[in-house]
Amino acid sequence: NAGVTQTPKFRILKIGQSMTLQCTQDMNHNYMYWYRQDPGMGLKLIYYSVGAGITDKGEVPNGYNVSRSTTEDFPLRLELAAPSQTSVYFCASSGRGRIYNEQFFGPGTRLTVL
Amino acid sequence: DAKTTQPTSMDCAEGRAANLPCNHSTISGNEYVYWYRQIHSQGPQYIIHGLKNNETNEMASLIITEDRKSSTLILPHATLRDTAVYYCIVRVAGARGTSYDKVIFGPGTSLSVIP
Repeated sequence: NAGVTQTPKFRILKIGQSMTLQCTQDMNHNYMYWYRQDPGMGLKLIYYSVGAGITDKGEVPNGYNVSRSTTEDFPLRLELAAPSQTSVYFCASSGRGRIYNEQFFGPGTRLTVL
Repeated sequence: DAKTTQPTSMDCAEGRAANLPCNHSTISGNEYVYWYRQIHSQGPQYIIHGLKNNETNEMASLIITEDRKSSTLILPHATLRDTAVYYCIVRVAGARGTSYDKVIFGPGTSLSVIP
């Protein structure tokens, strides 16, 4: 199993540009998450999904959109990039909704908006 | 939602036990305590979790006080590779009454293992 994979690893955007961060997991996990981590800070939840076709907002959803058309994929869309979105983005997944499930994280995407 | 407080940073000598404390005084009866760590520039890694009883696995031990208001993560023989930020997390219930893995990460404890 590859676990959770994210692409790209690095990206530089200009203000106002759009992009999609890709996340794929091969563990047949129902639950998937997007976090962002600003320098020296903890992780903040952007969006999450409890299954294909179901998504919901986390702590900091503004400026982002998600979709979940398959169990495996959970892309994160930035429509109008702003410097405040410069961050490291982590995707994670976990198994069915047993409360003791651990989350598996991807390697992250480092995004800079100039 | 139960919140956690951890020291900002700690040092530990290589080969000694690292004891990382966490306070979660508002924890609810059905909330678990989780520990994750994040080695520089990598995604967080699950370490251990517990509800009431002490837990041990191949990575660490988790000691939870009887009143569940605090816990300690123990790395029995710290190595240089254990240098990381350690997050103590209490699970929160999801919206619409659905329980799921909505994990809120605080700033954590930066552990430095010193040769």
